[in-house]
Amino acid sequence: DSGVTQTPKHLITATGQRVTLRCSPRSGDLSVYWYQQSLDQGLQFLIHYYNGEERAKGNILERFSAQQFPDLHSELNLSSLELGDSALYFCASSARDRGDGYTFGSGTRLTVV
Amino acid sequence: QQQVKQSPQSLIVQKGGISIINCAYENTAFDYFPWYQQFPGKGPALLIAIRPDVSEKKEGRFTISFNKSAKQFSLHIMDSQPGDSATYFCAANTGFQKLVFGTGTRLLVSP
Repeated sequence: DSGVTQTPKHLITATGQRVTLRCSPRSGDLSVYWYQQSLDQGLQFLIHYYNGEERAKGNILERFSAQQFPDLHSELNLSSLELGDSALYFCASSARDRGDGYTFGSGTRLTVV
Repeated sequence: QQQVKQSPQSLIVQKGGISIINCAYENTAFDYFPWYQQFPGKGPALLIAIRPDVSEKKEGRFTISFNKSAKQFSLHIMDSQPGDSATYFCAANTGFQKLVFGTGTRLLVSP
């Protein structure tokens, strides 16, 4: 157990629907990063939050949004889902506003049918 | 300039052999270079990391070699074991920026 909790582990939904993925960072970590990993692909950075504030955006689609709450958990909202959104979604946390020392969760596998 | 180029894409090594994965970067401001190991269906896990003030770091069977002038770093897995079969990602960052990941190397260690 890495200490980073992601729920749900699996999600199957239809095209056009909206889903919310949840991430609880490791205790004491203020930064949360979201990554998308498609089949046999690398890790595509989506967005970074630090202590509730958005710090950086990657190749995140306009249909996707995220936020980090006062208790530091984060949610990634994916709307108007398309087949191509099927992927593993990982969050990672770190203690500071810096990338070193990332700890990843076990991911949410999203399948859009 | 934010890219980290990783090779090879896949690698097959016999048990007991040495696995070598290479990464190259352009951004000379990068100052933290970790390697992550990912098993199927799991999240990546930090394996070993290095900063540019040293040329080599060893942890057990895993060694990072770092060549600052060439802007390259590599992961060596000595005495490779079937349990090392996984996907390996190099990464880099600087200051308060996010980690930039390589494209990954799928390692298969044959028994």
